[in-house]
Amino acid sequence: DIVMTQTPLSSPVTLGQPASISCRSSQSLVDSEGNTYLSWLQQRPGQPPRVLIYKISNRFSGVPDRFSGSGAATDFTLKISRVEAEDVGVYYCMQATQFPVTFGQGTRLEIK
Amino acid sequence: QVQLQESGPGLVKPSETLSLTCTVSGGSISSSSFYWGWIRQSPGKGLEWIGSIYYSGSTYYNPTVKSRVTISVDTSKNQFSLRLSSVSAADTAVYYCARMRVIDYNDYQWYFDLWGRGTLVTVSS
Repeated sequence: DIVMTQTPLSSPVTLGQPASISCRSSQSLVDSEGNTYLSWLQQRPGQPPRVLIYKISNRFSGVPDRFSGSGAATDFTLKISRVEAEDVGVYYCMQATQFPVTFGQGTRLEIK
Repeated sequence: QVQLQESGPGLVKPSETLSLTCTVSGGSISSSSFYWGWIRQSPGKGLEWIGSIYYSGSTYYNPTVKSRVTISVDTSKNQFSLRLSSVSAADTAVYYCARMRVIDYNDYQWYFDLWGRGTLVTVSS
């Protein structure tokens, strides 16, 4: 199985400041066609997860443009340009290049 | 818009079988663009993919539960279901059903774009 490792596990951020979460996979997420199925999900308190970013850097419909994704092969990053109060929650990276689908441990974003 | 709703018992006894159903409303489960999946989240923990099914019945399972799990689809009812046998306290979790977008405009996608609200299943005698 592909192991997804996120850092940090907790991120206290000041409102209006940027935040960054890293995700590293135990093997390359590039498939034989050159596609990379790495997505980022947000889980607000008491809610189900929702997708923010898919295929490394594609923002899902309705997701604010302060969220961006980047990376390649085994190293990926989610960035929030200016953190807002509604961004509090846990963020997960997920790979679906190889079954079983696996998730990172989650990074808790909190406001200082 | 399309919505997913989990249903089933909230309490299951150890060694028995957990059974949940996900009802898809506002859209067809028979779309060629999606797989349909189950993901669980133990209290205070992260996410674990259990398995996914295509409308044709093709399935993928997580090896960690493969010997105990069956996911099935009923296109006539627009539902898919999870059965997990021989449960223990370790299976206590919030169970989510979710839609996995596989292809969009001839471009493969493979990400969960829609989730149900989740249902807590407790394994206890």
